[in-house]
Amino acid sequence: GAVVSQHPSRVICKSGTSVKIECRSLDFQATTMFWYRQFPKQSLMLMATSNEGSKATYEQGVEKDKFLINHASLTLSTLTVTSAHPEDSSFYICSAPRHQSNYGYTFGSGTRLTVV
Amino acid sequence: GENVEQHPSTLSVQEGDSAVIKCTYSDSASNYFPWYKQELGKRPQLIIDIRSNVGEKKDQRIAVTLNKTAKHFSLHITETQPEDSAVYFCAASGGAGKSTFGDGTTLTVKP
Repeated sequence: GAVVSQHPSRVICKSGTSVKIECRSLDFQATTMFWYRQFPKQSLMLMATSNEGSKATYEQGVEKDKFLINHASLTLSTLTVTSAHPEDSSFYICSAPRHQSNYGYTFGSGTRLTVV
Repeated sequence: GENVEQHPSTLSVQEGDSAVIKCTYSDSASNYFPWYKQELGKRPQLIIDIRSNVGEKKDQRIAVTLNKTAKHFSLHITETQPEDSAVYFCAASGGAGKSTFGDGTTLTVKP
């Protein structure tokens, strides 16, 4: 149980275009979704927290107009990288608490974004 | 905010030996400490976790210890095997739910 499905797994896009990444909780309701970015050989850095029914909370230094987050329902959160540039190339991964009361988390499978 | 430091950054051991990875955290409000194993290009996988009301937890060859007073926790892997080779991340979480990750330890187990 507690599966988060993330799509796409890999995407290559041209500079200036936008890319949408989806994370769906398949067998539980995810009222919160954490979005991380991981550069090669580095740790996971929290970008933002999405909450169903309210605005996302962005970490310091993350441009909210560039990384648009929408938590449309209790099972779907999306991250849109707008006007992508090569420096946005990274591994993006979402994570949801399995249950609000026990702090366990489950990760999506990640999206490898390459901007050319 | 929370700051998590992880050491060592790389660790190489011989098959069958033990491996220990240590983390320290700064926020005394953190109360959940998971450890993740990440293979290249894949998602982090939870391997063990511990909460602040517990000092030690063991699951077969893996154990985690927590010292709340000193704000540090450690991962212990015994009888290491080549398939244990991966990057290991510690994390600390508080009431808000979001995790702060350590920088990772690349473990190599030589056959």
